[in-house]
Amino acid sequence: GQQVQQSPASLVLQEGENAELQCNFSSTATRLQWFYQHPGGRLVSLFYNPSGTKHTGRLTSTTVTNERRSSLHISSSQTTDSGTYFCASSGGSNAKLTFGKGTKLSVKS
Amino acid sequence: NSKVIQTPRYLVKGQGQKAKMRCIPEKGHPVVFWYQQNKNNEFKFLINFQNQEVLQQIDMTEKRFSAECPSNSPCSLEIQSSEAGDSALYLCASSLFQAGNTLYFGEGSRLIVV
Repeated sequence: GQQVQQSPASLVLQEGENAELQCNFSSTATRLQWFYQHPGGRLVSLFYNPSGTKHTGRLTSTTVTNERRSSLHISSSQTTDSGTYFCASSGGSNAKLTFGKGTKLSVKS
Repeated sequence: NSKVIQTPRYLVKGQGQKAKMRCIPEKGHPVVFWYQQNKNNEFKFLINFQNQEVLQQIDMTEKRFSAECPSNSPCSLEIQSSEAGDSALYLCASSLFQAGNTLYFGEGSRLIVV
């Protein structure tokens, strides 16, 4: 089945610094999503991005399909960006998403 | 913003007790997923449905776990006899299609088995 690896496992930044989160998956993704999980558990979809580059606010997601990797860039980080970021992928007609283990981001003021 | 509604937010059960969680998918979404997230933040897929039919499920759900998505009623996930290892966050998600589009998650039901 699909395997998803995220790096780094954790990241500590000073407010204003940029962050780059990486995701590698084992087979071509027909579905690739980035999620942010609030400390209370709520999982928010940031991007649905199986290929190409997407932007929203200070966030950019870039997926290179044939290299089976995706990245999430956070510019000018804020303390409110602190939390855990998950990459999840599925391949072919498989409906279920496989999640990575997440990157825990901590932004200090 | 996701409009998947999960209830209850928290439930505390003794070992051996039943635990039941409900999920109302986003309006118009026929595909529903259940995931279990453990204390190490690891996600485990449990089962998914298209309308009332099971698409995929793991072996675990065939024993103590049961789930259904009846028409015109919330979907549900039930653990017949809770065990300490079932303590986790149970997340429901819905989507428009089986593959190739966004999954939207609810806030989850946190089960604590004491």
